[in-house]
Amino acid sequence: KQEVTQIPAALSVPEGENLVLNCSFTDSAIYNLQWFRQDPGKGLTSLLLIQSSQREQTSGRLNASLDKSSGRSTLYIAASQPGDSATYLCAVENTGTASKLTFGTGTRLQVTL
Amino acid sequence: SAVISQKPSRDICQRGTSLTIQCQVDSQVTMMFWYRQQPGQSLTLIATANQGSEATYESGFVIDKFPISRPNLTFSTLTVSNLSPEDSSIYLCSVARDRSQPQHFGDGTRLSIL
Repeated sequence: KQEVTQIPAALSVPEGENLVLNCSFTDSAIYNLQWFRQDPGKGLTSLLLIQSSQREQTSGRLNASLDKSSGRSTLYIAASQPGDSATYLCAVENTGTASKLTFGTGTRLQVTL
Repeated sequence: SAVISQKPSRDICQRGTSLTIQCQVDSQVTMMFWYRQQPGQSLTLIATANQGSEATYESGFVIDKFPISRPNLTFSTLTVSNLSPEDSSIYLCSVARDRSQPQHFGDGTRLSIL
């Protein structure tokens, strides 16, 4: 059974810092990995999708990497802003599971002025 | 990306009653899913909503408690039956066109049980 863990559970950084969020998964037979953000009282917003054959994806100040063999992904946020404050979730889709996502525990990020 | 409308956005219900949540997508999608997010927890998949046939439920979730309909490729409902305080959660629908595309979520329904 796939298990997804995110470290740290919470993180507070001053504005302008670069930061890295970590995601690990126990079963390397994944089809893809997706990063989301969740704002308080809101649903999930898709940030980046990495297919199992890819090593990284970039969107603006966000860069996500994937090392399938070691069961790890990182989300790098450059030049953090207060608007980046949210909970970040990673989710993996295993091969043979038809788009079913297994979610991690989330990292709650606060970017302070 | 698909625009997903989920209703109601929140509700407070009495024990023993039922609540039906609607999920409407602005375009046809192949896959629709229902998730539950309990307080302080991450998301857990309840079931895959299959168009024109019975939903596929994950371990720990049963049709009698969580009946799901999906009459077409743009609409689905989730009913949470015989409500108890343990059902207080956020319920979210998500859609995906195919496995190469990101999965997108509605804003969720916040359910509280008195």
